[in-house]
Amino acid sequence: AQSVTQLGSHVSVSEGALVLLRCNYSSSVPPYLFWYVQYPNQGLQLLLKYTTGATLVKGINGFEAEFKKSETSFHLTKPSAHMSDAAEYFCAVTWAQAGTALIFGKGTTLSVSS
Amino acid sequence: DSGVTQTPKHLITATGQRVTLRCSPRSGDLSVYWYQQSLDQGLQFLIQYYNGEERAKGNILERFSAQQFPDLHSELNLSSLELGDSALYFCASSVAQGGEQYFGPGTRLTVT
Repeated sequence: AQSVTQLGSHVSVSEGALVLLRCNYSSSVPPYLFWYVQYPNQGLQLLLKYTTGATLVKGINGFEAEFKKSETSFHLTKPSAHMSDAAEYFCAVTWAQAGTALIFGKGTTLSVSS
Repeated sequence: DSGVTQTPKHLITATGQRVTLRCSPRSGDLSVYWYQQSLDQGLQFLIQYYNGEERAKGNILERFSAQQFPDLHSELNLSSLELGDSALYFCASSVAQGGEQYFGPGTRLTVT
């Protein structure tokens, strides 16, 4: 079955440090990949997406992610964390051939300390 | 603001009752998706509609049903509610199938 795995349910960084949130998917066909962020008591906001083309994609708030087919990964990074980045982050996958519902990872909570 | 609206924001009801959650997609979006978010199950896809027609079903219970109306708004009906149905219910919309999905703020359902 197709699935998404987010390594680490909780990641803690200091303000100004590199943020790295990991996402791996399982599939034999190329997926469409997304990262969403959820702030407390709010809905999900799209950070960035990969469908086709350039494998390094840039999103909002300084985040970027790189699609690595050989590693079946789509890790999210940000060079310098801000306090405002503290939230829950979800990696999601869909495959055009299989329909369009998103399959979500379990989420990673990012904490940023000063 | 994603442009997707959901009402009500909060809903508290008793076991055995029936509730209706409403979603209005972004202007121009034809696809509507419903997801359930709970602590134990995470985010799970329930059902998708495209331009009024059901297109895909996920882990939706038989007690739950949905529809999309000609004006493209959608309603999710939950009946014979159980304590385990307490969750956040999100609606998302996209222009076309396969496009990025934009999520509403959610409806928090509490079943007591």
